[in-house]
Amino acid sequence: DTEVTQTPKHLVMGMTNKKSLKCEQHMGHRAMYWYKQKAKKPPELMFVYSYEKLSINESVPSRFSPECPNSSLLNLHLHALQPEDSALYLCASSQGTGRGAGSRYEQYFGPGTRLTVT
Amino acid sequence: TQLLEQSPQFLSIQEGENLTVYCNSSSVFSSLQWYRQEPGEGPVLLVTVVTGGEVKKLKRLTFQFGDARKDSSLHITAAQPGDTGLYLCAYYRGSTLGRLYFGRGTQLTVWP
Repeated sequence: DTEVTQTPKHLVMGMTNKKSLKCEQHMGHRAMYWYKQKAKKPPELMFVYSYEKLSINESVPSRFSPECPNSSLLNLHLHALQPEDSALYLCASSQGTGRGAGSRYEQYFGPGTRLTVT
Repeated sequence: TQLLEQSPQFLSIQEGENLTVYCNSSSVFSSLQWYRQEPGEGPVLLVTVVTGGEVKKLKRLTFQFGDARKDSSLHITAAQPGDTGLYLCAYYRGSTLGRLYFGRGTQLTVWP
């Protein structure tokens, strides 16, 4: 099973709403990632969790709050978003992070949540 | 700083044509990865190239890693509409805070 699942598939929210995006993997991967992607652009890294601890925050505004309840789950809590935050939000996982190269660091992406902020 | 330069940025071709997209850099990499992203979906890993000069084939897709491990190419033979998507090359920078770095991508459209 090399699947990363994300819910919901689509989300429309107002600027005063609070919502959460969910991501799940059952591959035993210990690194999980949140990316933001605008149309026709590459994914931009937001957060990295390694062994359930936040290891990278790419200077993301505090209106985005990640959470890793356990090694299989990753959440992204959204509050007071702006219209420019509308994008495809992708979750990914890999076996781990660290020095070296090879399949251990290959990332598997979920299908994404298409977020529209009105 | 964009270490990986992908070209062309956009490519629109007819079904049956061949094409090559490039991923270039002045830096040396231990490996490079290629992803394809179809509209409305997440990127899917196609291949990881590790050895300089390596050639890997995936059906009609041929991936090559440059001898000096600074560049890579993807050649598609007899393109089909199902090949339409965003093709991304990426490298992994290994460290205690390792992460993936993407090129800007090549948007390929194959018309029937």
